[in-house]
Amino acid sequence: AQSVTQLDSQVPVFEEAPVELRCNYSSSVSVYLFWYVQYPNQGLQLLLKYLSGSTLVKGINGFEAEFNKSQTSFHLRKPSVHISDTAEYFCAVSEFSQFYFGTGTSLTVIP
Amino acid sequence: GAVVSQHPSRVICKSGTSVKIECRSLDFQATTMFWYRQFPKQSLMLMATSNEGSKATYEQGVEKDKFLINHASLTLSTLTVTSAHPEDSSFYICSARSIQAPNTEAFFGQGTRLTVV
Repeated sequence: AQSVTQLDSQVPVFEEAPVELRCNYSSSVSVYLFWYVQYPNQGLQLLLKYLSGSTLVKGINGFEAEFNKSQTSFHLRKPSVHISDTAEYFCAVSEFSQFYFGTGTSLTVIP
Repeated sequence: GAVVSQHPSRVICKSGTSVKIECRSLDFQATTMFWYRQFPKQSLMLMATSNEGSKATYEQGVEKDKFLINHASLTLSTLTVTSAHPEDSSFYICSARSIQAPNTEAFFGQGTRLTVV
């Protein structure tokens, strides 16, 4: 079974600074990769996904992520964060129709 | 994009009563629906996977008699928490995968905050 690791449980960052949220997974055999965002007391919203093709994927709200097969990573980046980006971010891997989530990273944007 | 509607968003119930949570895919047919439980500041814990017309598959440690799942159609799955107790208080989230793309992304409901008093 897959394991998805988000090494940083909490990431504080100043407004307008860049941010990277890290995600590593255990196997690169035919997987699909996702980043979801969760605001308080809400469900998960898809930020972006990698299914195939270009390893750099762009998502909503100015986020992007790069699929690195050799390092089995799918790190999320944003060049300039806003206060409204404060939320919980989950990396997820889909393999053989099963969905695996990381433990989440709490991003706090400081004014 | 595809929409999954979960209802209710919040519910407070008395200990010993049962609560039903609905999960509907509004503009697509869902081959599979998933139910998750989320504790504060934690990730989603998969409770069960349900396929239309068949019995749900429960994860280890999840009481199937307590958390009843019914997937009556390709657009509706329900989770019933029976004889609820305060320790069942949690945030429950459903998700669904489209028949057209069963191995790709999952679409999530808004979640249900259950409080048992």
